Amino acid sequence: DGGITQSPKYLFRKEGQNVTLSCEQNLNHDAMYWYRQDPGQGLRLIYYSQIVNDFQKGDIAEGYSVSREKKESFPLTVTSAQKNPTAFYLCASSIRTGGMNTEAFFGQGTRLTVV
Amino acid sequence: QKEVEQNSGPLSVPEGAIASLNCTYSDRGSQSFFWYRQYSGKSPELIMFIYSNGDKEDGRFTAQLNKASQYVSLLIRDSQPSDSATYLCAVKEGSGGYQKVTFGTGTKLQVIP
Repeated sequence: DGGITQSPKYLFRKEGQNVTLSCEQNLNHDAMYWYRQDPGQGLRLIYYSQIVNDFQKGDIAEGYSVSREKKESFPLTVTSAQKNPTAFYLCASSIRTGGMNTEAFFGQGTRLTVV
Repeated sequence: QKEVEQNSGPLSVPEGAIASLNCTYSDRGSQSFFWYRQYSGKSPELIMFIYSNGDKEDGRFTAQLNKASQYVSLLIRDSQPSDSATYLCAVKEGSGGYQKVTFGTGTKLQVIP
């Protein structure tokens, strides 16, 4: 089945550690996105990528890093520079151009907690 | 200025009533508009998309788009308690190779039995 897979579902991080969240899609989508959601809040864009080996900062990129070495994969690293990383992280993908129904499809999310 | 704005709510409606959810956007060149529903602790799921001015109906849901006013709305007829969720408006912005999907902060809907 086609879709987006995020792992792990739950992740615990000690202060000062870097952690990497995985996002893989087999939908052949060019564009991929990472969003952060805090309790009771909307989605805030961290990074997005339109093509392999290219990505752009979103609204809250500080303390995060990404890579896009393969079309299917867009991992997010939460670095120790991110002072308040506890949140729900959502990965999404969409068709980059062409067609009108270019909706974003979401993974099931990773809930990151700093302990 | 936020690019996509929604009233955070909560919007409370009685069961069977019409719920009206609104969204405004700043990028006049935006072409595609989406409504997502998100239950607590879950990822968003697409309800509808619209890209032409006017109304688009799908079952109990109607999306309305007015590009001149930069306004998109979602109507839910015969609201059910199971419709209680946060509704996110999303807009595809940008042009050429740098389009991105930007979300509003969402409107929480409560349908009272």
